[in-house]
Amino acid sequence: NAGVMQNPRHLVRRRGQEARLRCSPMKGHSHVYWYRQLPEEGLKFMVYLQKENIIDESGMPKERFSAEFPKEGPSILRIQQVVRGDSAAYFCASSPGISGNTIYFGEGSWLTVV
Amino acid sequence: AQKITQTQPGMFVQEKEAVTLDCTYDTSDQSYGLFWYKQPSSGEMIFLIYQGSYDEQNATEGRYSLNFQKARKSANLVISASQLGDSAMYFCAMREGAGNTGKLIFGQGTTLQVKP
Repeated sequence: NAGVMQNPRHLVRRRGQEARLRCSPMKGHSHVYWYRQLPEEGLKFMVYLQKENIIDESGMPKERFSAEFPKEGPSILRIQQVVRGDSAAYFCASSPGISGNTIYFGEGSWLTVV
Repeated sequence: AQKITQTQPGMFVQEKEAVTLDCTYDTSDQSYGLFWYKQPSSGEMIFLIYQGSYDEQNATEGRYSLNFQKARKSANLVISASQLGDSAMYFCAMREGAGNTGKLIFGQGTTLQVKP
């Protein structure tokens, strides 16, 4: 999983603030995925992006959550007006365009809402 | 609907012994992919092994092998010669839906503890 870079690793926000999580995919990977892991659970898919396009956002909550992957720069997962239930680990994964059997995850960003 | 089931919440194994972590899946797709990831206490998700539904041979990567039984819809992970560093949570995952994407569904995970 070397190469998928996420920051920050840990983030603490007060209720009502905004959280921004960043992900730079592995070199040569043009597909990015965001997952959320609640305590004691497996990962749950949130959104799938390619450069400047959201391909599948079926796992994204309808409100307060958004994601982008601009032409230049990292992918960003944005959570507005955070609530305690948003406390979780957020993982980014990337894959090259064609092969779906090389999917690598970053080290995760741990969000704590106080 | 596609589903991944890991029925072992926790497992113990003696150092240097082999251990099998169970994973069953449910899908109506003919083409699918199965993955195993390791999550140590530090939290990162480490890719271990991949098995495609049309692969005739069981996948192997070093000490990891995948016991793929298509008719039974099982994809168990076998770790040979366990090491203390293998203590971690292990997740089985399946690619969801058509297409060759990284959209995966995960099982609940199995915690493995290796005893010295």
